[in-house]
Amino acid sequence: AQSVTQLGSHVSVSEGALVLLRCNYSSSVPPYLFWYVQYPNQGLQLLLKYTSAATLVKGINGFEAEFKKSETSFHLTKPSAHMSDAAEYFCAVRNMTRNQFYFGTGTSLTVIP
Amino acid sequence: GAGVSQSPRYKVAKRGQDVALRCDPISGHVSLFWYQQALGQGPEFLTYFQNEAQLDKSGLPSDRFFAERPEGSVSTLKIQRTQQEDSAVYLCASSHGSGRDGETQYFGPGTRLLVL
Repeated sequence: AQSVTQLGSHVSVSEGALVLLRCNYSSSVPPYLFWYVQYPNQGLQLLLKYTSAATLVKGINGFEAEFKKSETSFHLTKPSAHMSDAAEYFCAVRNMTRNQFYFGTGTSLTVIP
Repeated sequence: GAGVSQSPRYKVAKRGQDVALRCDPISGHVSLFWYQQALGQGPEFLTYFQNEAQLDKSGLPSDRFFAERPEGSVSTLKIQRTQQEDSAVYLCASSHGSGRDGETQYFGPGTRLLVL
C-alpha cells in the first residue's frame, strides 16, 4: 500500500524566507512522487516529480525537493518565498500497479509581507 | 486547447437532481482520471479510464455515480439523485499512458458542485 503524509496543514513564512513543506511517504516499492500546487479556484499544477532518477529534483518557480529513502521523505523547499507562492500544496505518490495517485491532505502556505 | 478542460466550472443542483460533468483531456492522452476533492482535503480517486475502457471504478462512492468515455477522449461523470454530501470539487486529470514521464497527471480546473 502507498500513502503520503503532509506534516503541517498550515505554514506561514515571511517574504524572502525559506519555505519548507514536509511530505513523508509509505511505499513497499520504489515510489514515484509528485508535488502539485493549487491556487484558489484552480486545478492542480505540477511543480516537480521524482521518478527514480536524480534524488534532488528541481521544479518550476524556484522549488526543489529531495528524495531521501532513509527518511522516506520528499520535502519541498524554496530558498526565498515570494508573495505569489501563497497557495495550497499537495504531495502525491503514484500507485504503480493501479495507476492511481494518492494525495496528502495538503499544506496551505501563507506568505507574510 | 493545450490543457485539460472541464465544464461547467460551477454547478448548483437541488437535492435529488441529476448532474453531468464533462472533461476534455489533453489530445492524445490515453489515461483519464476523475477525483473528488472535498473542502480542505486532497483529491481522492474516483475512477480511471484507459482509452474507452473503465479499468478501475473502485473509488466511486455509490451506485449513483457513473462515468463514461465512449470514444476514448471526452469523459462524462454523472451523479444521479444528488445528495448534499456530493458537494465537492470534481477534478479530471489525464496522462499520456505510455509509461513515460512517470505517468504525470495533468489536471483540469475542476467543477465545483454545490447541492442544496
